[in-house]
Amino acid sequence: EIVMTQSPATLSVSPGERATLSCRTSQPVSTNYLAWYQQRPGQAPRLLFYATSTRATGVPPRFSGSGSGTEFTLSISSLQSEDFAVYYCQQYSTWPRTFGQGTKVEVK
Amino acid sequence: EVQLLESGGVLVQPGGSLRLSCVASGFTFNNFAMSWVRQAPGKGLEWVSSLSGSGTNTYYTDSVKGRFTISRDNSNSTVFLQMNSLRAEDTAVYYCAKAPAILPLYFDFWGQGSLVTVSS
Repeated sequence: EIVMTQSPATLSVSPGERATLSCRTSQPVSTNYLAWYQQRPGQAPRLLFYATSTRATGVPPRFSGSGSGTEFTLSISSLQSEDFAVYYCQQYSTWPRTFGQGTKVEVK
Repeated sequence: EVQLLESGGVLVQPGGSLRLSCVASGFTFNNFAMSWVRQAPGKGLEWVSSLSGSGTNTYYTDSVKGRFTISRDNSNSTVFLQMNSLRAEDTAVYYCAKAPAILPLYFDFWGQGSLVTVSS
């Protein structure tokens, strides 16, 4: 099983500032089969990225995904009010599918 | 517009059974794999089970193998999760999620979830 470790657990950021979230995997994720999701309070998760860096439909360009191997990053260039949420990474390279424990982005 | 609507979540006693349903619309159902992902109260996401578009291939996380069964009715665009021998640790919101292809990959659309509470 690939273990996903996200850091930090909580990120305090002011609106308009940049946020950088990390996701590390216990084994290399082949073909960069890594996805990112956003979950706002009381809502279902929403797909942000697949294949590490491909934006899902409707995701604003201030969001970017990068990485390879065992190190992946989600960046938000200028935080808007609607971006304060919990973010999860997920690998779909092997079974079982596994998620990170999440990073909560909160208002500083 | 893709829509996924879960139902069937209730309060059930430990050892009991429950079947969740998810009715899909807005896409050609049998062309896409479907999955169930759960979230315990205040916790993160946990993948539970997936099923290929044809229904031939099934996948389960270890903690539910032998207790849960995923299935689909392509004629009615519905995916099911039969849950037997329920335990307190199965308490969670269960999300139905669609894959972007006939085989399970990531999850491109999610339902709003159905709460399952296992308690005496």
